[in-house]
Amino acid sequence: DIVMTQSPLFLPVTPGEPASLSCRSSQSLLYSNGYNYLDWYLQKPGQSPQLLIYLNSYRASGVPDRFSGSGSGTNFTLKISRVEAEDVGTYYCMQALQAPLTFGGGTKVQIK
Amino acid sequence: EVLLVESGGGSVQPGGSLRLSCAASGFAFSNHWMHWVRQSPGKGLVWVSRINSDETTSDYADSVKDRFIISRDNAKNTLYLQMNSLTPDDTAVYYCARWANGNMLDSWGQGTQVTVSS
Repeated sequence: DIVMTQSPLFLPVTPGEPASLSCRSSQSLLYSNGYNYLDWYLQKPGQSPQLLIYLNSYRASGVPDRFSGSGSGTNFTLKISRVEAEDVGTYYCMQALQAPLTFGGGTKVQIK
Repeated sequence: EVLLVESGGGSVQPGGSLRLSCAASGFAFSNHWMHWVRQSPGKGLVWVSRINSDETTSDYADSVKDRFIISRDNAKNTLYLQMNSLTPDDTAVYYCARWANGNMLDSWGQGTQVTVSS
């Protein structure tokens, strides 16, 4: 199974400031078609998870452009250019390359 | 609007069984693979199972293999998860989710709580 590791565990942020979340996989997520099969999900407090980013860098419908995904192979980053209060919650990366799908342990983003 | 509504959760004793349902609407259900993901109290997301559009292929996490069975009824736009031989470790909120082109879980239900306790 592919192991996903996220850091940091907790991320205190200041509204208006940038934030960076890291995700690493135990195997390369780069497929032969050139796409990295890495998704990002946000679970806001008390809610179901919602898709933010798919295929490493494509924003899901309705996701603000302050969110961006980057990286390749085994190292990935989710960046929030200017954090807003509504961005609090736990962010999960997930490898979508093969079954079993596996999630990282999550990064909890909190407002300072 | 895509809508996924889980039901069937509840409290059950160890060794018992439950059948979860996920009613889908707002999209062509029969065209999509579907997944179950669970979240134990205070913990992260864990993938449980998936099934392809015509029910010919299914996969399971090792932790539930041989105990859980995923199925679907495309005529009723409904996904199921039959859970047998339940243990306290199966206590979690269970989400159904739609798999979309681009390899992503693009729509999630609100979840249904399963509690296994004596």
